[in-house]
Amino acid sequence: GNSVTQMEGPVTLSEEAFLTINCTYTATGYPSLFWYVQYPGEGLQLLLKATKADDKGSNKGFEATYRKETTSFHLEKGSVQVSDSAVYFCALRFNAGNMLTFGGGTRLMVKP
Amino acid sequence: EAGVAQSPRYKIIEKRQSVAFWCNPISGHATLYWYQQILGQGPKLLIQFQNNGVVDDSQLPKDRFSAERLKGVDSTLKIQPAKLEDSAVYLCASSLERGGTTEAFFGQGTRLTVV
Repeated sequence: GNSVTQMEGPVTLSEEAFLTINCTYTATGYPSLFWYVQYPGEGLQLLLKATKADDKGSNKGFEATYRKETTSFHLEKGSVQVSDSAVYFCALRFNAGNMLTFGGGTRLMVKP
Repeated sequence: EAGVAQSPRYKIIEKRQSVAFWCNPISGHATLYWYQQILGQGPKLLIQFQNNGVVDDSQLPKDRFSAERLKGVDSTLKIQPAKLEDSAVYLCASSLERGGTTEAFFGQGTRLTVV
């Protein structure tokens, strides 16, 4: 079946540090890939997405590139802020079904 | 634009009791999802509706969980009787249509604690 694996957290960084959160997937076919973010006390929000190989999704300084050869969709940001502290979820979806399959989430803590 | 509304935000019940959650999706969204998010895990789909019909309920524990979406708008998810392992956050999401690249919007969730 389809699955998503993320690096375990928490990831603790100082402000302005470089961020990478690894995400790999297993799927039959070529899904769309997503990163969702969950801020404390809030619902899941779509952060960025990519729908085909080599696409790069970007938003709010975050980027992720759809790598078919390594079945990966790693999240990166060049300089994190305290306000980026949240839980980040990688997910995949096949368009026909529209159901999201999520990874386990990675908690990011950014210290001033 | 109003987001996905869920209630209650928190619920504590004893095992073997019953509980119901309510979801009001974004106006005009045909597709509605219920996800279960156990602490420390990613959300897992329980059931998906397209208008008022069920598209996928393969992961729904039907001996104790039930869901309905009357008139293709609001939805309720019920657990009867609850078990300790049902403690989780129950997320409702909606999207404009099924298929394509339509984004799913999530509510804040209902945190259920079964004691």
